Amino acid sequence: AQSVTQPDIHITVSEGASLELRCNYSYGATPYLFWYVQSPGQGLQLLLKYFSGDTLVQGIKGFEAEFKRSQSSFNLRKPSVHWSDAAEYFCAVGGRAAGNKLTFGGGTRVLVKP
Amino acid sequence: DTAVSQTPKYLVTQMGNDKSIKCEQNLGHDTMYWYKQDSKKFLKIMFSYNNKELIINETVPNRFSPKSPDKAHLNLHINSLELGDSAVYFCASSQDLGITSTGELFFGEGSRLTVL
Repeated sequence: AQSVTQPDIHITVSEGASLELRCNYSYGATPYLFWYVQSPGQGLQLLLKYFSGDTLVQGIKGFEAEFKRSQSSFNLRKPSVHWSDAAEYFCAVGGRAAGNKLTFGGGTRVLVKP
Repeated sequence: DTAVSQTPKYLVTQMGNDKSIKCEQNLGHDTMYWYKQDSKKFLKIMFSYNNKELIINETVPNRFSPKSPDKAHLNLHINSLELGDSAVYFCASSQDLGITSTGELFFGEGSRLTVL
């Protein structure tokens, strides 16, 4: 069965500092990987996705993620965090072998210090 | 215009009651979903409909019954509510079957259900 682990429940970062959120997945075939962001009281919004090709993918709001098959990881990064990046971030995996179902990780809450 | 809208946003009710949550999307998508987010923020898919046809039905108590009158609407009815049903329920939609095409789900703002 597919699964996603986000090891960090909370991360606090200073505004302007870099951010990296970890994501490890388990999937028995070629994975489709996603990062979503959830602002307080809002639904989830797609930040970026990986289907195939270049393993470094760019997303919205200045985020990028790198797919590393050997490590079963898909970590999210941002070089310089803004206060508006404070939110909950979810990594997800899915694919045809899973019947097109997305499995989400438990999320990482990002707090931004002024 | 909100792309995926859910009503009500908040719902407080007693155990044993029956309640419904409605969802509408104006994106022209073919597929709609219900997800449950528990108190620990875990998101789990419950149901998915494609062109009004049920395509994903996870292990969910049969007290939960989705209904899709047309492809722009997906409602969730819950009978005999229990304390453990307290959660935030998210409706989402996607083009085609979603993750194998554009890969993007569009989520509503959620409906927070509290069962007392």
